[in-house]
Formats: sequence, structure tokens, C-alpha cells
Amino acid sequence: EVQLLESGGGLVQPGGSLRLSCAASRFSFSRFAMNWVRQAPGKGLEWLAAISNGAEQTFYADSVKGRFTISRDNSKNTLYLEMSSLRAEDTALYYCAKDRYGDYPTSFDGWGQGTLVTVSS
Amino acid sequence: DIVMTQSPDSLAVSLGERATINCKSSQSILYSSNNKNYLAWYQQKPGQPPKLLIYWASTREYGVPDRFSGSESGTDFTLTISSLQAEDVAIYYCQQYYSAVSFGGGTRVEIK
Repeated sequence: EVQLLESGGGLVQPGGSLRLSCAASRFSFSRFAMNWVRQAPGKGLEWLAAISNGAEQTFYADSVKGRFTISRDNSKNTLYLEMSSLRAEDTALYYCAKDRYGDYPTSFDGWGQGTLVTVSS
Repeated sequence: DIVMTQSPDSLAVSLGERATINCKSSQSILYSSNNKNYLAWYQQKPGQPPKLLIYWASTREYGVPDRFSGSESGTDFTLTISSLQAEDVAIYYCQQYYSAVSFGGGTRVEIK
């Protein structure tokens, strides 16, 4: 069974930066595209970004384009999300999610438990 | 951007009865070259991450009970739970992946 373990969340001030990590195991990480999805408290799901299996392509939601950067290190089986210029509305539980395929975001057949990011002064 | 609109926001169904959740896309999400609708359904139980139920609008994920089914008609999509079980209490989301990714607002399913 796919295992995804997010880390790096915490309390950050508005305008600050944070880097999230997602350690993957029990599947061939380098074969699949990966995604970040967030969920604000009591709200629905919001897709943020995706990266192809070889990191050749990245995809972003308009809401985070220019502020968030997705990357991966296939040698370490780890996915990253660099977040900057954080706002109160970025407060959410951040999930990493494994894609069914390799090239671009499709459906997500594995999810981590999430890491909580709170943006507040 | 493609907007996914789910209805109803919530529904209460008796155990063993059918539950029907609707999702409408603001534009076609049918890719003509493979004749597939780029739509998935997820189930999220309290305190848990989402779980993939259906992809390509009607293909059931491995291990998902066959009481869950997906159907499609143009830009209208339906997730049906044929005989609601207690463990099916959850929020259900549709998702399109035809152009980037977007989720519907979710439908909460409860026991009547």
C-alpha cells in the first residue's frame, strides 16, 4: 500500500515562507506524477500543484502560481512544496497525493494524512 | 477554468436505500481522442484523507465495493451508492482533470 508522509507544517506569520516535504514509500515514486492538495478547516478540497514523474513539467492552480513551487527528488523519494508570501487564507491541511499516471495530473490513488499550515500573526 | 458544481450539498438516506450524488462540469471534459470523460470521485470520512472511488467517470478503483458506480451524460455526472451502508457516511467529491484539476464543493451523505 502506498505510504505518503507529509512534514514541515506549522505556524508562520503572514508574508512568511515554509517548505513542505512528502516522503513516499511502498511504490515506485519515480514512475508517477505527484500533487499537492489542501483543505481549509471545514472546507472542501483545493488542488494546488502537480509535477510529472521526471520533473520535466509542473502545473499550478492560479491561486498559488508565482507563490508556490513544487519540486521532487526521485533519488530521495521525496516531494516538496515551497510556499512564500503566505496569507491567512493559506491556512489549511496540506496533502500530498500520488497520481495514477506519470505525465500530468489525473486522478489521485494515494494520499498522505496531511500537514497543517497555520498562517497567523 | 472548469467549475464543478455538485448537488445536493447534503442528503440523508436510509440504510439499504440508494444514494445519488450529482456533479456538473461547466464545459465538456470529454477528450475526443480516447472518448473518456476526465472525471473522478472521492470519498472522505471524518479525520481521514480522501479515497479514490471512481476514475474515467465510471471505472471503479480496485477494492471499491460494487455498490458504488459512476455514470455520465454530457457534462452531467452521477455517483450512485446502490445500497447505503453505515460505513458510507462521508463527504463525496467529484474532480475533473481535463484542464488542470478542480474539485466540486462536496456532498455530505448521512443516515436517515
